[in-house]
Amino acid sequence: SQQGEEDPQALSIQEGENATMNCSYKTSINNLQWYRQNSGRGLVHLILIRSNEREKHSGRLRVTLDTSKKSSSLLITASRAADTASYFCATPGDAGNMLTFGGGTRLMVKP
Amino acid sequence: KAGVTQTPRYLIKTRGQQVTLSCSPISGHRSVSWYQQTPGQGLQFLFEYFSETQRNKGNFPGRFSGRQFSNSRSEMNVSTLELGDSALYLCASSLWPGTQETQYFGPGTRLLVL
Repeated sequence: SQQGEEDPQALSIQEGENATMNCSYKTSINNLQWYRQNSGRGLVHLILIRSNEREKHSGRLRVTLDTSKKSSSLLITASRAADTASYFCATPGDAGNMLTFGGGTRLMVKP
Repeated sequence: KAGVTQTPRYLIKTRGQQVTLSCSPISGHRSVSWYQQTPGQGLQFLFEYFSETQRNKGNFPGRFSGRQFSNSRSEMNVSTLELGDSALYLCASSLWPGTQETQYFGPGTRLLVL
């Protein structure tokens, strides 16, 4: 079953604009990860944010985590055509190294 | 450092056949996990291996199996293939097991079952 759910399912913006994707999850977590996937290829790890962190930055990416609302957001600033991809949030599963993924947000950045 | 590699990248099989997929983790990583990705079900956890032992298994039938070798390389096998097994199979590695670790994914093996 899916733990995280991304919103929106699809997003289309112009190059240079900001893109915001949201993720909601159901149970308590100790961390949340965001991944990017280009057109049916492998997943690229973007950011891991721990439950005691509220915000984290990596280049043009900003991730927030609100554990009280069980939600996270990924902001991509000054988007580029190369940012066109699907973005997934992932939360720890029941045990071990299992990740539970949401359905993803398909982002299209038009040049 | 080389990333996670998966072979083959593409595979076409027919129903009833079996298939073996291979995954080489990042050097030094000892934990390997497998995921199946389909348009309908999304990304689903298959199994996780650490030190040649299966630690966890997802909700998949017994036709799906795997193993890990002493060099941390892993293989997964699907027997008696069904049309619904058509998917992108992704392997991920991390230094250690545990959900605090970042998992690094390979490019995937795209399996088409006819």
